Amino acid sequence: NAGVMQNPRHLVRRRGQEARLRCSPVKGHSHVYWYRQLPEEGLKFMVYLQKENIIDESGMPKERFSAEFPKEGPSILRIQQVVRGDSAAYFCASSQLQGQNTEAFFGQGTRLTVV
Amino acid sequence: GENVEQHPSTLSVQEGDSAVIKCTYSDSASNYFPWYKQELGKRPQLIIDIRSNVGEKKDQRIAVTLNKTAKHFSLHITETQPEDSAVYFCAASELNYGGSQGNLIFGKGTKLSVKP
Repeated sequence: NAGVMQNPRHLVRRRGQEARLRCSPVKGHSHVYWYRQLPEEGLKFMVYLQKENIIDESGMPKERFSAEFPKEGPSILRIQQVVRGDSAAYFCASSQLQGQNTEAFFGQGTRLTVV
Repeated sequence: GENVEQHPSTLSVQEGDSAVIKCTYSDSASNYFPWYKQELGKRPQLIIDIRSNVGEKKDQRIAVTLNKTAKHFSLHITETQPEDSAVYFCAASELNYGGSQGNLIFGKGTKLSVKP
């Protein structure tokens, strides 16, 4: 039973390029959350998705950032025209809300470095 | 929206002592309060959680208390060990059974160091 899988683990992009971060949730989980973590700081909520729907994107910058969770395949966090300030660790978490089972499991994260 | 404050930001204790980390939240609709432990370079992992219908929960050396009136919740670690050294995050969320779960809003973390 694989946990949340994120890839790549490390990603280096030049300023202006696009970054695509992938997240495969725990099998059977239909809720995905993306968080950003700057060095020495806490986890900051970005977006919450269910299959094919964005439920809450209040933490997502209005420009350059987008997220999707298609019916088939992983969730994708896309950052267009990256800037140095986008350098951070991006964590994905998944959960399945059934009865008492509400724990959110985190992936290992993708560490994005913009040079 | 929800806002979670966490204190202290760093905490250093001697092995065997207790450690207490405190959080406050602003949204009275929040009813689920998990605590995560994150070791350097690793993913956050759930160590304990509490729901608003419970005032206290314990699991071996770890306990969490919740005061709904004051909107406070705390993590207590007893008999600390060097392997407890990590960053600890509190979080708050609103769970609606049968409906959608609000996102987890995290505190900024507490870096706990346990000196042998």
